[in-house]
Amino acid sequence: GAVVSQHPSWVICKSGTSVKIECRSLDFQATTMFWYRQFPKQSLMLMATSNEGSKATYEQGVEKDKFLINHASLTLSTLTVTSAHPEDSSFYICSARVRDRGFLSGYTFGSGTRLTVV
Amino acid sequence: ELKVEQNPLFLSMQEGKNYTIYCNYSTTSDRLYWYRQDPGKSLESLFVLLSNGAVKQEGRLMASLDTKARLSTLHITAAVHDLSATYFCAVPYTSGTYKYIFGTGTRLKVLA
Repeated sequence: GAVVSQHPSWVICKSGTSVKIECRSLDFQATTMFWYRQFPKQSLMLMATSNEGSKATYEQGVEKDKFLINHASLTLSTLTVTSAHPEDSSFYICSARVRDRGFLSGYTFGSGTRLTVV
Repeated sequence: ELKVEQNPLFLSMQEGKNYTIYCNYSTTSDRLYWYRQDPGKSLESLFVLLSNGAVKQEGRLMASLDTKARLSTLHITAAVHDLSATYFCAVPYTSGTYKYIFGTGTRLKVLA
């Protein structure tokens, strides 16, 4: 089945530094990648949608200069948290649409990245 | 504003019992997804419901969709401890879009 590999699984960084999270589609081409964040015991909140070769579309309230998204190829999308602060600590998950024989069969999720900013 | 609400938010049940989780959404949608999330883990796809009246079953879980009532249910039959997890439903922001909004989640704990 379609697999999205997300790295790192967890990262601890100091305030003010930047962290890059990668999501790679291993056996399919992900033209669109969705980025979510999830606070403890809460639901997933969509942050942005990235399309290969174009600028990401950010949801209302998400700072595009703080959460930089790059989708330079059909198999790689990255999220960079710039100048991280403790309130950015969260679980970040990427997700890609999956097609089976031309039909949308669902979405596959990366394994998630737990970011802790100290 | 699109809202996707699940109830209950928390559910503690004994093994062997049956229960239903409800997912209500506020917009028209012909698609709905159910996912499972284990603590500290990502999401696992359970069901894709693509039409009104759709019913899908896998093991002890059965999901249904009533687009007219804007309601989906996830029924658990004879629960076992391994089903303990958080369950989310998700619907498109608008018809035809591939952006989804997730429900509030239902944390299920099955007691042995």
